[in-house]
Amino acid sequence: KAGVTQTPRYLIKTRGQQVTLSCSPISGHRSVSWYQQTPGQGLQFLFEYFSETQRNKGNFPGRFSGRQFSNSRSEMNVSTLELGDSALYLCASSLTGGRVNEQFFGPGTRLTVL
Amino acid sequence: AQSVTQLGSHVSVSEGALVLLRCNYSSSVPPYLFWYVQYPNQGLQLLLKYTSAATLVKGINGFEAEFKKSETSFHLTKPSAHMSDAAEYFCAVSDFTGGGNKLTFGTGTQLKVEL
Repeated sequence: KAGVTQTPRYLIKTRGQQVTLSCSPISGHRSVSWYQQTPGQGLQFLFEYFSETQRNKGNFPGRFSGRQFSNSRSEMNVSTLELGDSALYLCASSLTGGRVNEQFFGPGTRLTVL
Repeated sequence: AQSVTQLGSHVSVSEGALVLLRCNYSSSVPPYLFWYVQYPNQGLQLLLKYTSAATLVKGINGFEAEFKKSETSFHLTKPSAHMSDAAEYFCAVSDFTGGGNKLTFGTGTQLKVEL
């Protein structure tokens, strides 16, 4: 069974631009979560989608948004990029997103904002 | 809100020595706890999880963790360290408040294994 895939793996943008990251969950998984990882703030939860609906959201500004498609694939978008948005963005999928369901992580997208 | 605290941002052990990585949790409900490992330039891989069944949980690669409610701890151990264990380890708690699942992570512990 293929794991969680994320594209692209690396991305370089400049301040003010916007970016879209993509995540394909494990086949059959309906919940997709996004996390931001930085040296200063560690791993922080961005949002979770289940059946195309955002079910939970972390404490991030409105510049961070996401969506989920009917095939469970998910995208996250960051508008008006800031230097502080440079991070590893991790996507995780789980069967239903229940508390006992383990989350499987993709390799991440490394975003650098110049 | 639920949280976890990892004591020690860096731990160094000799190959063959005991590995002990500490994690304490704070939760108003019975917690579901996880340990993940991250190798350089990779995502997170689940080592083991506690979901209120047995208090001693065995995971992959010889790791295990014991849930101790009286100490609010979920420390990760491995009897004998191997060079390949060098990585960053994260303890996490599952937070289901507000609907939907999210993981709240500790700050991580970088494990160094020396010859």
